[in-house]
Amino acid sequence: DGGITQSPKYLFRKEGQNVTLSCEQNLNHDAMYWYRQDPGQGLRLIYYSQIVNDFQKGDIAEGYSVSREKKESFPLTVTSAQKNPTAFYLCASSIRTPNYGYTFGSGTRLTVV
Amino acid sequence: AQSVTQLGSHVSVSEGALVLLRCNYSSSVPPYLFWYVQYPNQGLQLLLKYTSAATLVKGINGFEAEFKKSETSFHLTKPSAHMSDAAEYFCAVTSGSSGGYQKVTFGTGTKLQVIP
Repeated sequence: DGGITQSPKYLFRKEGQNVTLSCEQNLNHDAMYWYRQDPGQGLRLIYYSQIVNDFQKGDIAEGYSVSREKKESFPLTVTSAQKNPTAFYLCASSIRTPNYGYTFGSGTRLTVV
Repeated sequence: AQSVTQLGSHVSVSEGALVLLRCNYSSSVPPYLFWYVQYPNQGLQLLLKYTSAATLVKGINGFEAEFKKSETSFHLTKPSAHMSDAAEYFCAVTSGSSGGYQKVTFGTGTKLQVIP
């Protein structure tokens, strides 16, 4: 079955570490997105990519970085510059634009220890 | 600019009762509107979407929503709640334009509790 796979499901980061969250899709979707979810705040867009080798900052890109070297993959790196990284991170994809609706992965919960 | 307001961060209904989750939006252009459902520690799943066709939209799991332009609303309903409907529900809006990137704005979510 087609879908989006996020890994790991749980991730613990020490202060000053960079960590990378994986997102892979086999839906043949052109566009991919990273969202951060905090309780009571809805979803906030970190980065998005509409085509391979191109990506754009979202509303809260500071302290994060991404790459899009393959259509299927859109990894997110949480750098040490992100001062409050504890959150639930969701990867999503869409056929071309969000107007078609998103398919979401099952999320990665990142905790700073 | 666009925004989404979900009235009520928590809603409780009895099993078998009507479910009504409220969503109001603002948009300077004709919107596309969505409802997503999220179960604990899971991603979001698309329930239904309005894309300027029929104003009454039917989705999965017996949910439906009606687009009311005059009230700028897109409320989600289900005639009879089931225990499995307990989850968090998010309303979202995009601009609906065909060019460029369409920003998605999500509401802050409504947690639905179903009481046996």
